[in-house]
Amino acid sequence: DAGVTQSPTHLIKTRGQQVTLRCSPKSGHDTVSWYQQALGQGPQFIFQYYEEEERQRGNFPDRFSGHQFPNYSSELNVNALLLGDSALYLCASSLVQGNSPLHFGNGTRLTVT
Amino acid sequence: GESVGLHLPTLSVQEGDNSIINCAYSNSASDYFIWYKQESGKGPQFIIDIRSNMDKRQGQRVTVLLNKTVKHLSLQIAATQPGDSAVYFCAETTAGAGGTSYGKLTFGQGTILTVHP
Repeated sequence: DAGVTQSPTHLIKTRGQQVTLRCSPKSGHDTVSWYQQALGQGPQFIFQYYEEEERQRGNFPDRFSGHQFPNYSSELNVNALLLGDSALYLCASSLVQGNSPLHFGNGTRLTVT
Repeated sequence: GESVGLHLPTLSVQEGDNSIINCAYSNSASDYFIWYKQESGKGPQFIIDIRSNMDKRQGQRVTVLLNKTVKHLSLQIAATQPGDSAVYFCAETTAGAGGTSYGKLTFGQGTILTVHP
């Protein structure tokens, strides 16, 4: 039973570019959340998708957008990259019913130069 | 507010000792709390959770204590092993936030646990 998988594992981009990160949820899960984790800090909530719609959003600018597909997988897009966007981006999945805890992937390490 | 940055609290213990990791949360409306373990290069791994209608919950070698009066959470690890070395995060959330389970978690700053053989 595969857990949460993310791709790519590492990525280097230049300031001003755009990036797309991908996530496949744990088998049986229908909800995907994205988090940004800066070095030495706890993860910060970006947004959550359920039934292909953004359900909740954290304090992140509109440069951060996402999508959820019918198979529950998800993408995180970041436009006009800034140096401060360098971080570990974590995807987490859960099941909307039963208040299940989040299961995290191992993240995508994004470096903006 | 909590301190942020590279200076995470640290806890060093000897193998076999019991460890206690503490966390202060900020939102008195939070009603679900989770402890995660994060090893280097990996995502957070669920350890144990507790709801606000409880003050103690036990798992395998771990116990979580919740004191809502002072908004304090602790994780006790019995017979700590070198494999327990990691960064430990507490997280809080509010039931029904957005109506989609407990997706929007607020994480604490983390504690680095080092277990010496």
